[in-house]
Amino acid sequence: NAGVTQTPKFQVLKTGQSMTLQCAQDMNHEYMSWYRQDPGMGLRLIHYSVGAGITDQGEVPNGYNVSRSTTEDFPLRLLSAAPSQTSVYFCASSYAGAGAEAFFGQGTRLTVV
Amino acid sequence: GIQVEQSPPDLILQEGANSTLRCNFSDSVNNLQWFHQNPWGQLINLFYIPSGTKQNGRLSATTVATERYSLLYISSSQTTDSGVYFCVTYSSASKIIFGSGTRLSIRP
Repeated sequence: NAGVTQTPKFQVLKTGQSMTLQCAQDMNHEYMSWYRQDPGMGLRLIHYSVGAGITDQGEVPNGYNVSRSTTEDFPLRLLSAAPSQTSVYFCASSYAGAGAEAFFGQGTRLTVV
Repeated sequence: GIQVEQSPPDLILQEGANSTLRCNFSDSVNNLQWFHQNPWGQLINLFYIPSGTKQNGRLSATTVATERYSLLYISSSQTTDSGVYFCVTYSSASKIIFGSGTRLSIRP
């Protein structure tokens, strides 16, 4: 049972480049979400999804797009990378509803130069 | 929405000491988890504890849901316990809510 898998673990981008951070879970969880964590800070919600075909914005959605075409995958797209998007990105998943336990991926460390 | 407050924000201890970290939440919750973020940035799931008490080695946690708080106990601290400890719950809209964290530093 792999849990929540994020790829890549590390990435360096040039300003203006685009890329997709991958997140996959094999637990049939309805709820998936993306967070960014800046140095010395807590995690801030970027986007989340409560099921295939349904996504919504979190606290800091600007500069990021998501889609949820399957239950298993929830990719995060950076359309035109900026140095302000240098951060560590975490993906999480859980069953929807009361009492759910959250599972997190290992994180993706992104540097935009 | 639900507010999650953690205390203390920072804690510095000598190896071998015991510590208690606290998490207060503003409304009743059905989910409460404790995570340890180690110095390499990994989020490690310590406890899923919406109520009651659980123990895992030197760590234990207690959640008193009726009084809206949870405690994480670390006994005989080791340097590998250093990092940030987060208390996590859910909002009614199924959003994961993080507390602000307690940064624990264990000195050898």
